[in-house]
Amino acid sequence: SQTIHQWPATLVQPVGSPLSLECTVEGTSNPNLYWYRQAAGRGLQLLFYSVGIGQISSEVPQNLSASRPQDRQFILSSKKLLLSDSGFYLCAWSVGQGLNEKLFFGSGTQLSVL
Amino acid sequence: AQSVTQLGSHVSVSEGALVLLRCNYSSSVPPYLFWYVQYPNQGLQLLLKYTTGATLVKGINGFEAEFKKSETSFHLTKPSAHMSDAAEYFCAVSDRASNQGGKLIFGQGTELSVKP
Repeated sequence: SQTIHQWPATLVQPVGSPLSLECTVEGTSNPNLYWYRQAAGRGLQLLFYSVGIGQISSEVPQNLSASRPQDRQFILSSKKLLLSDSGFYLCAWSVGQGLNEKLFFGSGTQLSVL
Repeated sequence: AQSVTQLGSHVSVSEGALVLLRCNYSSSVPPYLFWYVQYPNQGLQLLLKYTTGATLVKGINGFEAEFKKSETSFHLTKPSAHMSDAAEYFCAVSDRASNQGGKLIFGQGTELSVKP
């Protein structure tokens, strides 16, 4: 069966520090991968998605970047965190297309930038 | 552009009472519609989705939602709330014309509390 691992579950970082959140998927190949963020009082917002190794699409301009060094690994990074980067970050993966596409979420990382 | 509005960031019901979580969407074309649930310290789980066909969709845990095109709504209901239903619920839409069905637009979420 497929599983998605996302870590850490919580993270407290000072402003200006770097960030690296990792997400890995097991039990499937060539998944579509996504990073979502939920800021306080707001809905989930798609940040990045990837359809293959090295292929990253950014949905919104921001202080973050994403990379996909391996088929089932998706990394969210920042060189210098801002206060506004605080939020709940969710990795997700999907398989299938159209009506048959299913999206599966990780358990999320609560990031607090102080 | 598509958007989703969930009316009420927090809903509280008594155990056994009707659960009604409201969701309205804006889309130039009929979208795919979803409800996700997030239990504490867990990832989002799909409750149900509407893609085509019957407008009343049944999901897991006794939840159902009805797609009403004329009202651009996709409200989530459950006849009788259970304590275990306490969670945060997200309504979402995706563009059926998109090749990336995982590109969802989410509402702000509604936290459901169930009182004994």
